Amino acid sequence: DTAVSQTPKYLVTQMGNDKSIKCEQNLGHDTMYWYKQDSKKFLKIMFSYNNKELIINETVPNRFSPKSPDKAHLNLHINSLELGDSAVYFCASSRKQGSTEAFFGQGTRLTVV
Amino acid sequence: AQSVSQHNHHVILSEAASLELGCNYSYGGTVNLFWYVQYPGQHLQLLLKYFSGDPLVKGIKGFEAEFIKSKFSFNLRKPSVQWSDTAEYFCAVMQGGGADGLTFGKGTHLIIQP
Repeated sequence: DTAVSQTPKYLVTQMGNDKSIKCEQNLGHDTMYWYKQDSKKFLKIMFSYNNKELIINETVPNRFSPKSPDKAHLNLHINSLELGDSAVYFCASSRKQGSTEAFFGQGTRLTVV
Repeated sequence: AQSVSQHNHHVILSEAASLELGCNYSYGGTVNLFWYVQYPGQHLQLLLKYFSGDPLVKGIKGFEAEFIKSKFSFNLRKPSVQWSDTAEYFCAVMQGGGADGLTFGKGTHLIIQP
């Protein structure tokens, strides 16, 4: 039973395309996140949702749009993909905002060609 | 804004050597501190965490870390490393309220030679 699952695990696509990455957690957590890990392994938060509401929106191009249909899902949609979007994207969840540890999904390696 | 510094980007050790990875953060208020590990091709896993209480925390796989408030540090240690410890290690900080999520250091790539 995977606690935080992302699909797909690998995604290769051409510049200009629109793609989505899905994330689901079965832990009953209130808070979900998207992180981006660049080619130098640097991890940075992109978005945070708490009970389906956007809490954090870091300096991310508006081509990136998170969607949370319910508390257990936080999908990431990316429009007009660019070469620089190539990275590993991690979804994570925590029981509540702040005080508990985050559980991470296995990551989605996005390659834009 | 808070920031996290990991001093060593690449560390190479022999098996049975002792390990210490440095981590410093820049936020002066209440913080929660974490070390995550990412084994090759796998997702991030929590090694250990500090929220309050005893500043010496023990995690999985024989790892421990010490929170030294006066030095804004949370160094990771292991007395005797194994080949299977080869991985990327990330220090992370969360401000007390958690409003900004986790801030990660740039990671330390640890290679253990047999």
